[in-house]
Amino acid sequence: KQEVTQIPAALSVPEGENLVLNCSFTDSAIYNLQWFRQDPGKGLTSLLLIQSSQREQTSGRLNASLDKSSGRSTLYIAASQPGDSATYLCAVSPGVGNKLVFGAGTILRVKS
Amino acid sequence: KAGVTQTPRYLIKTRGQQVTLSCSPISGHRSVSWYQQTPGQGLQFLFEYFSETQRNKGNFPGRFSGRQFSNSRSEMNVSTLELGDSALYLCASSLAVGSDGEQFFGPGTRLTVL
Repeated sequence: KQEVTQIPAALSVPEGENLVLNCSFTDSAIYNLQWFRQDPGKGLTSLLLIQSSQREQTSGRLNASLDKSSGRSTLYIAASQPGDSATYLCAVSPGVGNKLVFGAGTILRVKS
Repeated sequence: KAGVTQTPRYLIKTRGQQVTLSCSPISGHRSVSWYQQTPGQGLQFLFEYFSETQRNKGNFPGRFSGRQFSNSRSEMNVSTLELGDSALYLCASSLAVGSDGEQFFGPGTRLTVL
């Protein structure tokens, strides 16, 4: 059974700091890994999608890496801003249709 | 291009009642998945529909059911509501036929069971 763990559970940083969020999964047989952002009481916004054959993806100040063999992914946020404050969720596609298995998320607070 | 839409956005029901939630996927997407999000259990997969057929099902009781119409819109139904069914219900759509597609989520329906 695929399990996804995210560390840390919560993170508070001053504005401008670079930071790394971690995601690990127990079964390396995944089709892709997706990072999402969720603002309080809202739906999920897709940030980055990494296919199983890829090592990383970049979008603006965000960079996500994937190491399938070790079951790890990291989301790097450069020059953090207060608007980045949200819960960040990592999810893997285990290859059962379009089902996603989610981690519990990292709550990020960027202080101005 | 319109995103995933869900209606209603908020619902309040009492125990024992039933409820129907609706999801309209992004135009052209034929896969619709449903998730339940609670503070204690996080995001859990309910089921996925593709071309009007249930393709996958999570570990939820039979009170939770769904369907998909020919225009790809999907509904989920919860019968005999329990207090523990209070949650944010999220719908996601994908263009992919296989398991490698990007998922796009709607804003969710907040269900409160009293």
